[in-house]
Amino acid sequence: KQEVTQIPAALSVPEGENLVLNCSFTDSAIYNLQWFRQDPGKGLTSLLLIQSSQREQTSGRLNASLDKSSGRSTLYIAASQPGDSATYLCAVRRDGGATNKLIFGTGTLLAVQP
Amino acid sequence: DTAVSQTPKYLVTQMGNDKSIKCEQNLGHDTMYWYKQDSKKFLKIMFSYNNKELIINETVPNRFSPKSPDKAHLNLHINSLELGDSAVYFCASSPPPPNTGELFFGEGSRLTVL
Repeated sequence: KQEVTQIPAALSVPEGENLVLNCSFTDSAIYNLQWFRQDPGKGLTSLLLIQSSQREQTSGRLNASLDKSSGRSTLYIAASQPGDSATYLCAVRRDGGATNKLIFGTGTLLAVQP
Repeated sequence: DTAVSQTPKYLVTQMGNDKSIKCEQNLGHDTMYWYKQDSKKFLKIMFSYNNKELIINETVPNRFSPKSPDKAHLNLHINSLELGDSAVYFCASSPPPPNTGELFFGEGSRLTVL
């Protein structure tokens, strides 16, 4: 049974710092891994999607890496800003078929202090 | 705008009532999902429909009944509401295979049972 864990559960950093959020999963047989952002009281915004054959994806100040063999992904945020404050969720999918579901991690609550 | 939209965004009701949450996507996707986010922000899948056919049905009380009138709509009806049903319910959709496996989420519907 796939389990997804995110460490740390909460993180507070001063503005401008580079930071890393961690996601680990117990079953390395994944189809893809997706990082989401959730603002308080809002829905989920997809940030980055990494296919199982890929090692990393980049979008602006965000870089996500994937190491399937060790069951880990990291989300790197460069030059953090107060607007980055949100809960960050990672989720893995076992296959691309319609019957497959996304398994979510426990989330990291990020606060960037101005 | 192309999106996954849910109504209502907020729902406050008494125990024992029956309520429905509606979801529509105009992304042309074949697969739609309902996820539940509990008070600890943990997201867990409830149901998935592919082309109006139920394909994922997690261990959910039978008071919850999804209905998909067409592949662009997936509604969630809840009978005899209980206090523990209070949560945020998210609708999502994904394109048919072969695809990236990316899920697109609605803004969520916050249900409060008093």
